Amino acid sequence: GEDVEQSLFLSVREGDSSVINCTYTDSSSTYLYWYKQEPGAGLQLLTYIFSNMDMKQDQRLTVLLNKKDKHLSLRIADTQTGDSAIYFCAEKDPGGGNKLTFGTGTQLKVEL
Amino acid sequence: EPEVTQTPSHQVTQMGQEVILRCVPISNHLYFYWYRQILGQKVEFLVSFYNNEISEKSEIFDDQFSVERPDGSNFTLKIRSTKLEDSAMYFCATTRDGVPTGELFFGEGSRLTVL
Repeated sequence: GEDVEQSLFLSVREGDSSVINCTYTDSSSTYLYWYKQEPGAGLQLLTYIFSNMDMKQDQRLTVLLNKKDKHLSLRIADTQTGDSAIYFCAEKDPGGGNKLTFGTGTQLKVEL
Repeated sequence: EPEVTQTPSHQVTQMGQEVILRCVPISNHLYFYWYRQILGQKVEFLVSFYNNEISEKSEIFDDQFSVERPDGSNFTLKIRSTKLEDSAMYFCATTRDGVPTGELFFGEGSRLTVL
């Protein structure tokens, strides 16, 4: 089955770039997602990428995909205190089902 | 902006008791899901529901769990006889078009504590 792994914590200074990493196990073509969870809130979709793409950029967010290494990263440029949250990587079931497999989440702390 | 709402936000119950968690999906959404997150662990898929029936369920979703949409609006998750290990945050999610590109909208979660 699918497995998604992330590091648990990341601390950066305001204005720096943040890079949150994720590895996944399934090599089939599929969609990969980044979700953000602020305290007391539900998960909010930030962006997604299909596994035949290498990169996707959306304003301050850049997603990089290394399909060979099964490595996904989310880069946040000019990180702000409002970016402090938990970031979840998720993979869609490549078998055609609708479920997502999530990582443990990376807690991003932005310091002044 | 439309949102998924969940009730209760926090429920404390005794082991063996029945619990019902409720979700009001966004009105034109057709696909409904329950996920849960045990403290410090991954967000885990429980079940998906479409066209008034379960379309997929995980190993976690055993006979103690059930889902229904009794009145065409609320989407409920029932745990018949709660166990200590059911303590978790339960998230409802809905989407209009289904994944992959249909965005999953998550509720804020219902925290269940089983004593």
